[in-house]
Amino acid sequence: GAGVSQSPRYKVAKRGQDVALRCDPISGHVSLFWYQQALGQGPEFLTYFQNEAQLDKSGLPSDRFFAERPEGSVSTLKIQRTQQEDSAVYLCASSLRGGYYEQYFGPGTRLTVT
Amino acid sequence: AQTVTQSQPEMSVQEAETVTLSCTYDTSESDYYLFWYKQPPSRQMILVIRQEAYKQQNATENRFSVNFQKAAKSFSLKISDSQLGDAAMYFCAYRSFHHTGANSKLTFGKGITLSVRP
Repeated sequence: GAGVSQSPRYKVAKRGQDVALRCDPISGHVSLFWYQQALGQGPEFLTYFQNEAQLDKSGLPSDRFFAERPEGSVSTLKIQRTQQEDSAVYLCASSLRGGYYEQYFGPGTRLTVT
Repeated sequence: AQTVTQSQPEMSVQEAETVTLSCTYDTSESDYYLFWYKQPPSRQMILVIRQEAYKQQNATENRFSVNFQKAAKSFSLKISDSQLGDAAMYFCAYRSFHHTGANSKLTFGKGITLSVRP
């Protein structure tokens, strides 16, 4: 079956622009995670959804970052007024349910803020 | 808070040889999961191997095995008979055993770049 997909794969934004990054999880997966991966670093947790409920947003770096999953499937990560430090790869992962099950990762969206 | 440390930024191995990637972690929890993930240049992260902390037996998956030392909080990955396709970034990761809500997240190390020489 299809894996986790993300779009766009690459995004270039001018500083101050708003961006929206999309994640399509594996069908039937209840849990969805967003991670931010800076160049040469490991992914860092941003936020977690169980169905449509955002259970943890402790990793969001500022109030410019907002995530939603209104129908419990597709998720969107929105970054308002982008800054150069937002440049990173944004990874989405989904799992069947919660922590026990394996997290399957998407290919990521590489965001470059100029 | 848990931390994961991978102190070797790069390693190189000759094809068909064996290589060991190191990882240490810090946690106050007694039960947890540890993982090694592989991220090839295409960037899609895939799970290589998983270890439950309550299991004494080291996990193995074909050519991949771990050396889990709970007291030392060490979790190394051994790749036997290295292949060109093993070249990638490898990340060590931690997850709480109590996998409800916020505890479901993975905490990653900085990763290590493995190159395989033909």
